[in-house]
Amino acid sequence: ETGVTQTPRHLVMGMTNKKSLKCEQHLGHNAMYWYKQSAKKPLELMFVYNFKEQTENNSVPSRFSPECPNSSHLFLHLHTLQPEDSALYLCASSQDLGVEQYFGPGTRLTVT
Amino acid sequence: LAKTTQPISMDSYEGQEVNITCSHNNIATNDYITWYQQFPSQGPRFIIQGYKTKVTNEVASLFIPADRKSSTLSLPRVSLSDTAVYYCLVGDLFSGGYNKLIFGAGTRLAVHP
Repeated sequence: ETGVTQTPRHLVMGMTNKKSLKCEQHLGHNAMYWYKQSAKKPLELMFVYNFKEQTENNSVPSRFSPECPNSSHLFLHLHTLQPEDSALYLCASSQDLGVEQYFGPGTRLTVT
Repeated sequence: LAKTTQPISMDSYEGQEVNITCSHNNIATNDYITWYQQFPSQGPRFIIQGYKTKVTNEVASLFIPADRKSSTLSLPRVSLSDTAVYYCLVGDLFSGGYNKLIFGAGTRLAVHP
């Protein structure tokens, strides 16, 4: 049903691993977002891209590195994460910045 | 930055109308009000958006009084599948205000048989 897909859906990684999360939107949108949702916490906006250009970095630690090769794809590269980084990572897209956002199903990340 | 305040939780029964009110006392002139719904382990889903007065779509209605310091999401005849967390967001969508679209704690609605 959703036009935004995320892979993998679940990921378990050690603190020394390097992994990447992938997001793809099939809606022809120009803006893409990464959010983090920890247990019992509100969604936190991490990064915003508009027409492939990063327009927002909400003071996210450098162990999270986003990449947006085109308007349809968004990656989140992970390295040397901490256990407190375990969360649901959500990708979203919108036609323009700020308007109705369409979310993907998320990647459930567990850092051991 | 317009902060929003919602009830933490609400309970209802199938077939009833549910009204969730959100307070946003310092809403700015250019801010819009947007509501999202989120089921467990899923991303939020857009429900409705408005600026003033009343907006209605096939899912819900949004009531915004003249002073815009609050808004009420109305869900007609809820069913068990409406059990979810509902978020109220306030932000200026058209002047780079996307970064101010902060998701609060939301309202956890539980619909009972």
